[in-house]
Amino acid sequence: DQQVKQNSPSLSVQEGRISILNCDYTNSMFDYFLWYKKYPAEGPTFLISISSIKDKNEDGRFTVFLNKSAKHLSLHIVPSQPGDSAVYFCAASLWGNEKLTFGTGTRLTIIP
Amino acid sequence: DTAVSQTPKYLVTQMGNDKSIKCEQNLGHDTMYWYKQDSKKFLKIMFSYNNKELIINETVPNRFSPKSPDKAHLNLHINSLELGDSAVYFCASSQAGQGAEAFFGQGTRLTVV
Repeated sequence: DQQVKQNSPSLSVQEGRISILNCDYTNSMFDYFLWYKKYPAEGPTFLISISSIKDKNEDGRFTVFLNKSAKHLSLHIVPSQPGDSAVYFCAASLWGNEKLTFGTGTRLTIIP
Repeated sequence: DTAVSQTPKYLVTQMGNDKSIKCEQNLGHDTMYWYKQDSKKFLKIMFSYNNKELIINETVPNRFSPKSPDKAHLNLHINSLELGDSAVYFCASSQAGQGAEAFFGQGTRLTVV
């Protein structure tokens, strides 16, 4: 039972445009959400997070939006840069809990 | 100066062998983890240790035994390796209670032949 889903395995975006990565979850108990970025042959790197008491969190070019009623979150990257090409994982947890539940990832390719 | 380092990076071994993967973190974190990424790219938690104490054990076969000699180290020992154990294993660490914002090692690609 996949509690965190990323339905788009891949996404291609022109450099300078906005990249939007989507994530859905089924467990309404999740209250903390994160995005990780992963380059080949490296471990995932934490990018940005949001708690369920917020609907938006922004950090530079990265913004995460949370829609609790739809159990949906998205990551916006603007403007997209070639170095953003990577696999992006959405993850969810209960605040203060040690366990992360990951989605299957979306491979983002930025086209120069 | 790597924050979470694991060795080896690649491991090829025959079925039935016993192998270990080592992990060390220099971040001063209290909690360490092992995650497994299988061929379908699912990344799932296997174990979590807090200050050398087992916190999470996600129904992993008992052929897998984590060992934490101190809070900076969490090693993974696998007995009687099977073909299905082939995967990438990631070690990670975090501050206690903030498991979400974990720092990951580079991964160990285990191939069982």
